[in-house]
Amino acid sequence: KNEVEQSPQNLTAQEGEFITINCSYSVGISALHWLQQHPGGGIVSLFMLSSGKKKHGRLIATINIQEKHSSLHITASHPRDSAVYICAVRSYPGGATNKLIFGTGTLLAVQP
Amino acid sequence: DVKVTQSSRYLVKRTGEKVFLECVQDMDHENMFWYRQDPGLGLRLIYFSYDVKMKEKGDIPEGYSVSREKKERFSLILESASTNQTSMYLCASSLTGSAKEQYFGPGTRLTVT
Repeated sequence: KNEVEQSPQNLTAQEGEFITINCSYSVGISALHWLQQHPGGGIVSLFMLSSGKKKHGRLIATINIQEKHSSLHITASHPRDSAVYICAVRSYPGGATNKLIFGTGTLLAVQP
Repeated sequence: DVKVTQSSRYLVKRTGEKVFLECVQDMDHENMFWYRQDPGLGLRLIYFSYDVKMKEKGDIPEGYSVSREKKERFSLILESASTNQTSMYLCASSLTGSAKEQYFGPGTRLTVT
């Protein structure tokens, strides 16, 4: 069993829909990251959080440390949101080198 | 803005060739990482380096070696490329310390024929 599990693996939505991607992990963590990867592109960091909730534009990330679960929400989805969304955790104690454990990603397609 | 660059976006090599993938970062980061990304498997750590000339094996180091002679540059070497090393290779860098963000390069899609 992977230490970081994401669901769903694939998601197709209509433009304007509210989208939720889930991430569960089985290790103690010091931080959780949500990353975005566009087709053929590099990876960019969306959020890094260790508690509570963060919001950036139409994106919201939440984490429940007790339940070892995080969600990424996209409000008013748009075709440009189509990408792979990756959850990654920094295990604790992880040392100073900042190694991450990655989920396998969620492929999101938003149709116009 | 942090910038992590990789020497090639696409690379095609023959089985048995020696392959060098170069990564350069411009933010004086101590840590640098090489990952490979395969469908259904996500990103897997090949090697990382926490200082010049220092390296540690990641989860899948077999068939790879690395070199870090300067702080800004981290090279991944495939001594004798094989078809099962066809993959997307991603480099990343970060500062040392807890919960520091990793910054990723654009990736190199390597095909070994």
